[in-house]
Amino acid sequence: AQSVTQLDSHVSVSEGTPVLLRCNYSSSYSPSLFWYVQHPNKGLQLLLKYTSAATLVKGINGFEAEFKKSETSFHLTKPSAHMSDAAEYFCVVSDRTAGANNLFFGTGTRLTVIP
Amino acid sequence: DAGITQSPRHKVTETGTPVTLRCHQTENHRYMYWYRQDPGHGLRLIHYSYGVKDTDKGEVSDGYSVSRSKTEDFLLTLESATSSQTSVYFCAISGTGIGGETQYFGPGTRLLVL
Repeated sequence: AQSVTQLDSHVSVSEGTPVLLRCNYSSSYSPSLFWYVQHPNKGLQLLLKYTSAATLVKGINGFEAEFKKSETSFHLTKPSAHMSDAAEYFCVVSDRTAGANNLFFGTGTRLTVIP
Repeated sequence: DAGITQSPRHKVTETGTPVTLRCHQTENHRYMYWYRQDPGHGLRLIHYSYGVKDTDKGEVSDGYSVSRSKTEDFLLTLESATSSQTSVYFCAISGTGIGGETQYFGPGTRLLVL
């Protein structure tokens, strides 16, 4: 079965400092992994995805994530936080066993950026 | 946004009344999904569709039904709304082939059941 654990429900950083949002996954198959971002009262926007190509994945807005199979992790990082990064972030694993590509979401990490 | 609209965007209803939410896409994608978002749970899959008139249950399907009579429309119905169905509902779509694993989300519908 597929599942995702986001290790921090809330992360607070100062503007200009690095961001680290942690995610561990469980999957019976070679997984596809995603990070989505949700700004307040908005829908979900895809930040980046891993689909068994390069293990270091670059996304939008300077974010990147590294797939580490040995650690079953897919942590999201950004070198320097910006005020506009304040949002909720979801780590997601896919289930390809069904005809559709069903997603399993983590419970989210709320990122606060302090001026 | 990937050509997905949801209607209504906000709705207040009373316990026991039927409610239908609509998802409309202009991308001609094969797969469509309904999720609900609740604090502490992330998003959870309610139902999905893999083609016209082809649907299946997700993780939290009890109390919900769906229909898809056209490629572009996916309807979610709460036959008799309950307060536990107060939530934010998101529709998503995905295609086939390369990139088909990625889902794109609509703006959401905020439903309050009194």
